[in-house]
Amino acid sequence: GEDVEQSLFLSVREGDSSVINCTYTDSSSTYLYWYKQEPGAGLQLLTYIFSNMDMKQDQRLTVLLNKKDKHLSLRIADTQTGDSAIYFCAEIRTNTDKLIFGTGTRLQVFP
Amino acid sequence: GAVVSQHPSWVICKSGTSVKIECRSLDFQATTMFWYRQFPKQSLMLMATSNEGSKATYEQGVEKDKFLINHASLTLSTLTVTSAHPEDSSFYICSSTTGGYNEQFFGPGTRLTVL
Repeated sequence: GEDVEQSLFLSVREGDSSVINCTYTDSSSTYLYWYKQEPGAGLQLLTYIFSNMDMKQDQRLTVLLNKKDKHLSLRIADTQTGDSAIYFCAEIRTNTDKLIFGTGTRLQVFP
Repeated sequence: GAVVSQHPSWVICKSGTSVKIECRSLDFQATTMFWYRQFPKQSLMLMATSNEGSKATYEQGVEKDKFLINHASLTLSTLTVTSAHPEDSSFYICSSTTGGYNEQFFGPGTRLTVL
């Protein structure tokens, strides 16, 4: 289908790791992104991965890409209460500048 | 870093009026700006792509006469919701790109409530 799918909700304890999953649709996507949206705010780019990479690590964030399964994940180590937000994966469709967003995952971190 | 602002942050208007939302790139020139709409607890849906000095390209299902986009300069794009109705109430977010690895820089969003 055309949708970029994510699970709706994830709840973790502070200090644990969080893993947010995304299934995208365009196997030719060159870049895949993770954005964070706090309540009532715009989107903040967290990280991105180029399609020829399997993994990218950036401080507490680890992105894994499985091109065969068109599966993208974001791991947040040592999750903090400030990480509570909605996380969107996004892909750039081939030959366009258009970002196609996933359905969003609400991450709730409790003490 | 690249900063995008939107004005206003929140607007409440009566049904039938028109509302203009501004999107500005503050420290870079944006040849392309994007307008998104986000309903509560939903994802962002691309409405249109606007290039400076040319007509905007609207996504399927978005009425160009309803949502007027003007990209008059490299730092300013405006979205006018004409004859707004309650179903137009939404969160409108703009973004702009400088190229490179296609990173889009997002504005903080404008919440429109139509009574």
